[in-house]
Amino acid sequence: DTAVSQTPKYLVTQMGNDKSIKCEQNLGHDTMYWYKQDSKKFLKIMFSYNNKELIINETVPNRFSPKSPDKAHLNLHINSLELGDSAVYFCASSQVDRGTEAFFGQGTRLTVV
Amino acid sequence: GENVEQHPSTLSVQEGDSAVIKCTYSDSASNYFPWYKQELGKGPQLIIDIRSNVGEKKDQRIAVTLNKTAKHFSLHITETQPEDSAVYFCAASGSSYKLIFGSGTRLLVRP
Repeated sequence: DTAVSQTPKYLVTQMGNDKSIKCEQNLGHDTMYWYKQDSKKFLKIMFSYNNKELIINETVPNRFSPKSPDKAHLNLHINSLELGDSAVYFCASSQVDRGTEAFFGQGTRLTVV
Repeated sequence: GENVEQHPSTLSVQEGDSAVIKCTYSDSASNYFPWYKQELGKGPQLIIDIRSNVGEKKDQRIAVTLNKTAKHFSLHITETQPEDSAVYFCAASGSSYKLIFGSGTRLLVRP
């Protein structure tokens, strides 16, 4: 009955590989997000999707490509992984027209070696 | 650009004492100010929020104050308990589609 679930929780991969992180929310929210948390714990918005449409792309390299097949899912695909991509990636969702809080997933710890 | 500054970066208090964390935001259009608690290995969890038409909000041991003129908002935790130990983030939002987070405060409550 998890509200926002991400898979995998941990991801270790080599430089240059391509990987995906999946996110699903069962809250019926219309907006989903990807945030990146670096080693110093800074949390920064990457993307926002509202009703499957991209609303915000916060100057993220185009190696990162989010895809929203429906309102309940927002996946993140990363091409040609670099060492600097190592971080914890959080998916979140909210119901924007009701001004509700953003619910976060448990995070995916990505380590690029 | 949009920026939220948060202080202190670490805070150690004795159990039962109060803890105060302060944030300052730059975007005058910000109208929503949530506070999140992040425990080790978990995602941020909302603990309290305030909107720009309110100056203060309280929920049991937690309170938040907002000074729109000075662009300051603060989190107050009273009667701290060891389970309050975590990283706390303030955030500000002028757009419904993103939160700008502060840099976080690591709170340690000593038993």
